[in-house]
Amino acid sequence: KAGVTQTPRYLIKTRGQQVTLSCSPISGHRSVSWYQQTPGQGLQFLFEYFSETQRNKGNFPGRFSGRQFSNSRSEMNVSTLELGDSALYLCASSFNPGQGDETQYFGPGTRLLVL
Amino acid sequence: GENVEQHPSTLSVQEGDSAVIKCTYSDSASNYFPWYKQELGKRPQLIIDIRSNVGEKKDQRIAVTLNKTAKHFSLHITETQPEDSAVYFCAASSNAGNMLTFGGGTRLMVKP
Repeated sequence: KAGVTQTPRYLIKTRGQQVTLSCSPISGHRSVSWYQQTPGQGLQFLFEYFSETQRNKGNFPGRFSGRQFSNSRSEMNVSTLELGDSALYLCASSFNPGQGDETQYFGPGTRLLVL
Repeated sequence: GENVEQHPSTLSVQEGDSAVIKCTYSDSASNYFPWYKQELGKRPQLIIDIRSNVGEKKDQRIAVTLNKTAKHFSLHITETQPEDSAVYFCAASSNAGNMLTFGGGTRLMVKP
């Protein structure tokens, strides 16, 4: 099976702009989670989508949003970008979380630089 | 919410020695504890995981132990090799969903 893919891999934006990142999960996986990775804060959970519904949300401002489509592909959007949003954004997919199959497989990430 | 602390933040060992990384968690509802290895510029990769109904799990040179009473779990790597050099993350989650709370990471350096 193909692994989790993310596009784009690299992105440069300026403050105030918005950005949309995409994640395609492993075929058959219905859950997609998003994480932000920075040197200072480490890996932090953003949100999780399962069957097109947001099931969990981390402690990030409302500028961070996401959605999931019927084919399980997911997008996350960050509006009004700030310098502190510069990070590696990772998505992870899993088959059936909370039902004994929680293993999350990560994508390669999208590295976002905000200038 | 859940809080996971990981120690040490850096660990340097000689090739062939053992390495131990420890994590503590705060939420007694957590029942799934994965460990990820992340090499420079690459994605985190699952190396081993354990569920709360198991006390220990081994996979070749890697083992994880879990103490639910004390709320801590540890990663043990034996016979370390230079290719084990990476950053290792522990994490915890509960049945509430697929939300992983990560520790701060341990940079393991294996010197040949």
